[in-house]
Amino acid sequence: DTGVSQNPRHKITKRGQNVTFRCDPISEHNRLYWYRQTLGQGPEFLTYFQNEAQLEKSRLLSDRFSAERPKGSFSTLEIQRTEQGDSAMYLCASSLGSSTDSPLHFGNGTRLTVT
Amino acid sequence: AQSVTQLGSHVSVSEGALVLLRCNYSSSVPPYLFWYVQYPNQGLQLLLKYTSAATLVKGINGFEAEFKKSETSFHLTKPSAHMSDAAEYFCAVSVTGYSTLTFGKGTMLLVSP
Repeated sequence: DTGVSQNPRHKITKRGQNVTFRCDPISEHNRLYWYRQTLGQGPEFLTYFQNEAQLEKSRLLSDRFSAERPKGSFSTLEIQRTEQGDSAMYLCASSLGSSTDSPLHFGNGTRLTVT
Repeated sequence: AQSVTQLGSHVSVSEGALVLLRCNYSSSVPPYLFWYVQYPNQGLQLLLKYTSAATLVKGINGFEAEFKKSETSFHLTKPSAHMSDAAEYFCAVSVTGYSTLTFGKGTMLLVSP
């Protein structure tokens, strides 16, 4: 168990640019989640996948955001035309199944700063 | 819709003192409740969870929490604080297991010698 890996750890970009983050879940985990955490707030749910299927998306996930999980392995989260309000920590988590016996394992996050 | 309120953005205790972090929830159906801890520049780690079994739940690192339906509360306690407990703690609620956790704003625990 090597844990959930997120890259990059930090990303600084100019407003209007596109950015992409990657998440590698724990290898046998079939569920993958994206959360966003802004300063002084708890994490907010964005979306989750079961294998390659995106099963739920939050209203927070505007049209500028897109997430994929090809082949049910790693996932990418892309933000197009970034805005300063997108500055946040983006957290990825994975789990084996969805029951309460299968806790989420979180990565260390990608911190995005939009200037 | 469900929500979580954590009372106190910061809690300060002395090493060896009782730790009490408060969490109240709102849910239209029986909830699942969780406490997570986050150390600086790290992801969240599950401390404990309530899933409608025993109302007193024991977690890792000596923490425990009690589910009180009448008070809609799920406060986190630890009898004796240690310096290594200094971190941010998040209470979370879900009505569908882990899929869509709703987190509180967090409470930063400060431990002084």
